[in-house]
Amino acid sequence: DARVTQTPRHKVTEMGQEVTMRCQPILGHNTVFWYRQTMMQGLELLAYFRNRAPLDDSGMPKDRFSAEMPDATLATLKIQPSEPRDSAVYFCASGRSSTGSNEQFFGPGTRLTVL
Amino acid sequence: AQTVTQSQPEMSVQEAETVTLSCTYDTSENNYYLFWYKQPPSRQMILVIRQEAYKQQNATENRFSVNFQKAAKSFSLKISDSQLGDTAMYFCAFLGSSNTGKLIFGQGTTLQVKP
Repeated sequence: DARVTQTPRHKVTEMGQEVTMRCQPILGHNTVFWYRQTMMQGLELLAYFRNRAPLDDSGMPKDRFSAEMPDATLATLKIQPSEPRDSAVYFCASGRSSTGSNEQFFGPGTRLTVL
Repeated sequence: AQTVTQSQPEMSVQEAETVTLSCTYDTSENNYYLFWYKQPPSRQMILVIRQEAYKQQNATENRFSVNFQKAAKSFSLKISDSQLGDTAMYFCAFLGSSNTGKLIFGQGTTLQVKP
């Protein structure tokens, strides 16, 4: 049963610390998305990649956030330095851009708390 | 810019009854996809049903069906024979054919199924 995996599932850190979240997309998927979910803003797209190339990161605060895909099996989202307002659930999703379904499969999320 | 609106923040339904969740969207595109995602307390985002805009026939998946009104830009979700496990937050989402993967989510509707 292919799934998107995310680590860690929970992270509590102090303001100013670096946070790295990891995502393993489903094997064979060539698109990866990072979403952030908060009570106030709902679900927002932060960045997305196709074939490991970043296509859209307009939703991401550039000064502290960075997203990369070192290889096809790993996507990372880093926050440095972290701030309390970054507290949220961060979802990774993957899909296949070549299929007609356009379905995105979501990981279980990383719940981040910045104190 | 595309927008998705879910006007019902919370709804409740008795077990075994039918409930309809509303969703409207705004777009100037003619070809696009619409989705309903379910997010139970576990936070996992689960695809419930998908509709391609070029298809006139309403999509159905077991107890879940949609009423897609393209001219009215309306995409409601009907859940028949509601079960306790349907208790979750439901998100309507839009994917434009020109967006190459960027899902636009509504604010969500929290559904409580009562025994």
